[in-house]
Amino acid sequence: IAGITQAPTSQILAAGRRMTLRCTQDMRHNAMYWYRQDLGLGLRLIHYSNTAGTTGKGEVPDGYSVSRANTDDFPLTLASAVPSQTSVYFCASSENTGTYNEQFFGPGTRLTVL
Amino acid sequence: GQNIDQPTEMTATEGAIVQINCTYQTSGFNGLFWYQQHAGEAPTFLSYNVLDGLEEKGRFSSFLSRSKGYSYLLLKELQMKDSASYLCAVSDSNYQLIWGAGTKLIIKP
Repeated sequence: IAGITQAPTSQILAAGRRMTLRCTQDMRHNAMYWYRQDLGLGLRLIHYSNTAGTTGKGEVPDGYSVSRANTDDFPLTLASAVPSQTSVYFCASSENTGTYNEQFFGPGTRLTVL
Repeated sequence: GQNIDQPTEMTATEGAIVQINCTYQTSGFNGLFWYQQHAGEAPTFLSYNVLDGLEEKGRFSSFLSRSKGYSYLLLKELQMKDSASYLCAVSDSNYQLIWGAGTKLIIKP
């Protein structure tokens, strides 16, 4: 693989169910991010990780959790999905944080919560 | 609060030039990014400005004025494949990217 992969590509989920979105990168980037993208709104940061073993909250963290056990993987978990979490979710990574932190994006996961 | 403003939608003709503006108000500034996003796809990097002035890269150029909180992306010799959304993002004082809602560019033949 090259770059960032996300799984699943799309998912329809019943409200109240638990769901984990997977993200893996092979670029050995230190920083990783989870965004959601909704029509008419910019990308909104959910959680981030500046390096393996650390995580931080973004703009819209409620209802989501993340872990960063190693450099490559950064899963996002919805503990109990609600319809307002219907969105397209993008995982991204950057070599480092700091100036010129160009972010590379995965292909996205389209999630529908009914 | 932090705010990035871009026009929602623009229309241009194949072969022409279009300028997409972005104004920002953020807590700190560590650079401004432009990304391109085709429908149903992930954003991809176009340009980065951290100093005032114009950065040219082929048919695309990006300009920054930090004192005015203003940037634009200039696309020349428009092609049909340039039909996409263009996202402006500012790196704030914590080096987090704050994103505009994007400008949908429609190219007509």
